[in-house]
Order: sequence, then structure tokens, then C-alpha cells
Amino acid sequence: DTGVSQDPRHKITKRGQNVTFRCDPISEHNRLYWYRQTLGQGPEFLTYFQNEAQLEKSRLLSDRFSAERPKGSFSTLEIQRTEQGDSAMYLCASSLDGSGANVLTFGAGSRLTVL
Amino acid sequence: ILNVEQSPQSLHVQEGDSTNFTCSFPSSNFYALHWYRWETAKSPEALFVMTLNGDEKKKGRISATLNTKEGYSYLYIKGSQPEDSATYLCAFIRQAGTALIFGKGTTLSVSS
Repeated sequence: DTGVSQDPRHKITKRGQNVTFRCDPISEHNRLYWYRQTLGQGPEFLTYFQNEAQLEKSRLLSDRFSAERPKGSFSTLEIQRTEQGDSAMYLCASSLDGSGANVLTFGAGSRLTVL
Repeated sequence: ILNVEQSPQSLHVQEGDSTNFTCSFPSSNFYALHWYRWETAKSPEALFVMTLNGDEKKKGRISATLNTKEGYSYLYIKGSQPEDSATYLCAFIRQAGTALIFGKGTTLSVSS
């Protein structure tokens, strides 16, 4: 297993377009997280899955954002009708379980630029 | 809203200097504290997970302590090297099973 993979690494889009990011976690990891990081800030929690179930979403996550993890394997994060404020690094991470006592393994991130 | 505060925001040291950073978190309902190192153009990498008051962890020249009663953790780097240049993130979990809440990080720059 080569770790957590994210695709694409970079995405430039025009305002109003839809974008989708994919995350492939470490295969035996049950928990999968999505975070967003903007310049000068730490990773901001968006949502997480335990297997295929989406257990929590940030109150900051607008209705334009949706995430799925079908079959508890890879996950997708879709942003509809992108806005310039969506420009950020979108980080995916996975962990063995969701207890919090196990480390998160992060992907390299998907950087979104909305023009 | 849970706030995790890290200080200083950035730090410049000379090679060989020892340094430390602070992470402050709510002292009530503590479950675990994580430290990560994030080098430019790489993924954040886990350093430590600490769960017990008084925990001390060490990995090479880097060590961390935890005080859950007063709500802080220190990260120490002994004899800083240029390769230690990175952003150091701490993350707090108030309850098992919930999401990690990250601070803004401390960016360390080590000059040779």
C-alpha cells in the first residue's frame, strides 16, 4: 500500500463550475477525513466517514459541498457552483479507526484555484 | 467552538539552536492530542499522539509533553537542523470518535 492518494493534485476552474476530488485511503483504514487548508490557517475540518457512513459534517460546510464514500473504500468530495472563496488545499486523511488514539495518514492534497 | 491555539506563529532559528512551541487547548473533555510536521510540498506527517496527563514522547531530537489539566502541550526540538524547517501542527480531540481540530501551526525556519 502506497499511502493515501488524492487526485487531481491541482485543479483550476472558473467560478460557477463543479469540481470533484477523489481520495483513496489506506486499504485497512476505516476512518476517512476531509479537511480544507487556506493560507495562514491550519487544516479546517469538513467531514468524516466511518466505513461508508458519513458521521459528521462541519457546520461551515455549505450545501454546495457533498462527499461520498461508497462501499467504504475511496471517497469523493464534490463542490458545486464553485466560488472564489473555495480556493484552498483540500486534504484527505485516513486512520485505522476513529478513536482518535491512532494517527492520521494524509494525502498530498488537491489544490483548487477558482478564477 | 473549540479553539486550538499555537504559538509562536513563526520562528527563525540558527542551526544548532534548541527551540520549543506551545499548543493550547480546552482543558475540559480531553481525549487526545496529536502533533504533525508539514514540510512544504509534502503531506503532513504524524509525530506524536498523546492521551494521558503528564505524557512525554520522544522521536530523535523532537520531544513533546502534555498537561491536560491546564490545557497545553509543548513540542521541543533539540539542536535544530535545516531539515527541521516545516510547519508544526497540533490537533485536539475532545471525545473519542470525533474529528481532530487543528491549530494554525507554528512555522519553523532553520538557517545553516
